[in-house]
Amino acid sequence: EVQLVESGGGLVKPGGSLRLSCAASGFTFSDVWMIWVRQAPGKGLEWVGRIKTKYVGGTTDYPAPVKGRFSISRDDSKNTVYLQMNSLKSEDTAVYYCATDYRQGYLGSWGQGTLVTVSS
Amino acid sequence: EVVLTQSPATLSLSPGERATLSCRASQSVSSYLAWYQQKPGQAPRLLIYDASNRATGIPARFSGSGSGIDFTLTISSLEPEDFAVYYCQQRSDWPPGLTFGGGTKVEIK
Repeated sequence: EVQLVESGGGLVKPGGSLRLSCAASGFTFSDVWMIWVRQAPGKGLEWVGRIKTKYVGGTTDYPAPVKGRFSISRDDSKNTVYLQMNSLKSEDTAVYYCATDYRQGYLGSWGQGTLVTVSS
Repeated sequence: EVVLTQSPATLSLSPGERATLSCRASQSVSSYLAWYQQKPGQAPRLLIYDASNRATGIPARFSGSGSGIDFTLTISSLEPEDFAVYYCQQRSDWPPGLTFGGGTKVEIK
């Protein structure tokens, strides 16, 4: 059974940094692209970024609102994907989910999410 | 960037009724569209991918159709557990990435 467990959320001041982790199990982690998605309180879903497998270069993609501030990395030896968030803004307040990529662009399995609150 | 517009924002129906949800793209996404269901306090769940393919374990009462810019998710006969928020999502190669629609809430009438 696929399991994804996010951690690292919490309260951070504007301009601060935070690193989220997502520990995976139940599948061959190194074979799967991984995706981060967020959901602001009471709002819809927003894609935050993704990382491909090392077999295709381990490249990353980000949308404009987070490009240059957020970065995704992976440690296949630990079955873990990370989301490094810098220069945080109040509008980054959200529940952050990691998910497995399915068919190069859909989200197959999801974690339970971790809440990030950016506030002074 | 492709913008996805879902309608209606809220759909009020009774158990046993048919639900029809719409998702319109600002430009063609071919058939690269998915639907997700989200219940309160839970992560979303993949229902449909490539516009019309049911994900593993999804009941047959859920069906998807469409291509290009207009897509539909149909729930043939609503069960009590189907009352939730539904999101459409597209994937693109250029610019690379994903976008979601704003969601449709299916509520009990």
